[in-house]
Amino acid sequence: NAGVMQNPRHLVRRRGQEARLRCSPMKGHSHVYWYRQLPEEGLKFMVYLQKENIIDESGMPKERFSAEFPKEGPSILRIQQVVRGDSAAYFCASSPSGTGVGNQPQHFGDGTRLSIL
Amino acid sequence: AQSVTQPDIHITVSEGASLELRCNYSYGATPYLFWYVQSPGQGLQLLLKYFSGDTLVQGIKGFEAEFKRSQSSFNLRKPSVHWSDAAEYFCAVGAYNQGGKLIFGQGTELSVKP
Repeated sequence: NAGVMQNPRHLVRRRGQEARLRCSPMKGHSHVYWYRQLPEEGLKFMVYLQKENIIDESGMPKERFSAEFPKEGPSILRIQQVVRGDSAAYFCASSPSGTGVGNQPQHFGDGTRLSIL
Repeated sequence: AQSVTQPDIHITVSEGASLELRCNYSYGATPYLFWYVQSPGQGLQLLLKYFSGDTLVQGIKGFEAEFKRSQSSFNLRKPSVHWSDAAEYFCAVGAYNQGGKLIFGQGTELSVKP
């Protein structure tokens, strides 16, 4: 009965490198959400995906950030050419159907702590 | 603009004392609401949820929350706090016309004195 699995738990990158964060939703969940938590702050919504579709990317920075949730495999949050300001904890959540449609809460993973040197 | 406010950044209570964590929201649509708890270095665990119906909801670990539409509040309560409740607590709000997007409060850090 595995929960939401995120890897890696910790990721260190140098400025200008690429960061790839992975999220495997709970079994039976086809909706994935990504959030970012800066130090001493709450979580900020980034993107909402279903299999092969981006439903809402209103929280994604316009450049360098992208997300996908392919038919097979985990969801990936990709950050290109990382900068110091990208240092944060990135959380993935999943639900069996859309939270706003199916009255389903979002279940969170333990996050990936990204540090930029 | 949509927003969620947790007025108390840090609260300290004695073990065995009662607890109330405040959450106020500003939303233009019918909201649904959650409380999550986060221990250091961990993810968020769902404590309780409100979508509709009875405005007093029961959650895990002895927590409850009451949705008061007239006050735009969803305060979290526990009658007797245990040392293991020390953590950060987040209120989150969504709306039926906003898809799956949740707006989180800044969080309230709870410390428990022996």
